[in-house]
Amino acid sequence: QKEVEQDPGPLSVPEGAIVSLNCTYSNSAFQYFMWYRQYSRKGPELLMYTYSSGNKEDGRFTAQVDKSSKYISLFIRDSQPSDSATYLCAMSGRASGTYKYIFGTGTRLKVLA
Amino acid sequence: DTGVSQDPRHKITKRGQNVTFRCDPISEHNRLYWYRQTLGQGPEFLTYFQNEAQLEKSRLLSDRFSAERPKGSFSTLEIQRTEQGDSAMYLCASSSGGNEQFFGPGTRLTVL
Repeated sequence: QKEVEQDPGPLSVPEGAIVSLNCTYSNSAFQYFMWYRQYSRKGPELLMYTYSSGNKEDGRFTAQVDKSSKYISLFIRDSQPSDSATYLCAMSGRASGTYKYIFGTGTRLKVLA
Repeated sequence: DTGVSQDPRHKITKRGQNVTFRCDPISEHNRLYWYRQTLGQGPEFLTYFQNEAQLEKSRLLSDRFSAERPKGSFSTLEIQRTEQGDSAMYLCASSSGGNEQFFGPGTRLTVL
């Protein structure tokens, strides 16, 4: 079993839809939870960075962390064709003595005009 | 542009050759990371530097791989005797006192 599980998709939605992307994890030592956007053949771009449980909002993006369920989500409101990309969740835990990130496989999102 | 830069962006080599990649982190970022990403997968951690000290290496980093950060600024990743299985995107990231990692554009390696 992988430490971080993420549905690879692809996920296709119409323009303007609310998109929900999710990851589950097994390591309770994770404390930091990140979402990256990656366009084809480009490096990952940091979208959201959260610590511990709770919600964080930034423009059209909302990140949620539920540590009790070991489940994190990214919501994208009013999705646009330019949001079409692969979305990667990542986690790390200083309690485990390392700063390395553990990534999910990524979910491919297509927003149709 | 003050982001993380990587060079070269693409490298095609023949099996058995050595290759070296360079990463220039964001200025004053003391932590630098190398990851490898294959098609359809998320990045996998390879190694991590704090200043010039290499503090962690993944089991993925076989003896053919070596990384350096001699002056605590740029870093190099060398792969000796390349194999077809080494074909991947090699990503570099940097961070400062916080835990947010910022990635470069990557170096895409193709081993023929």
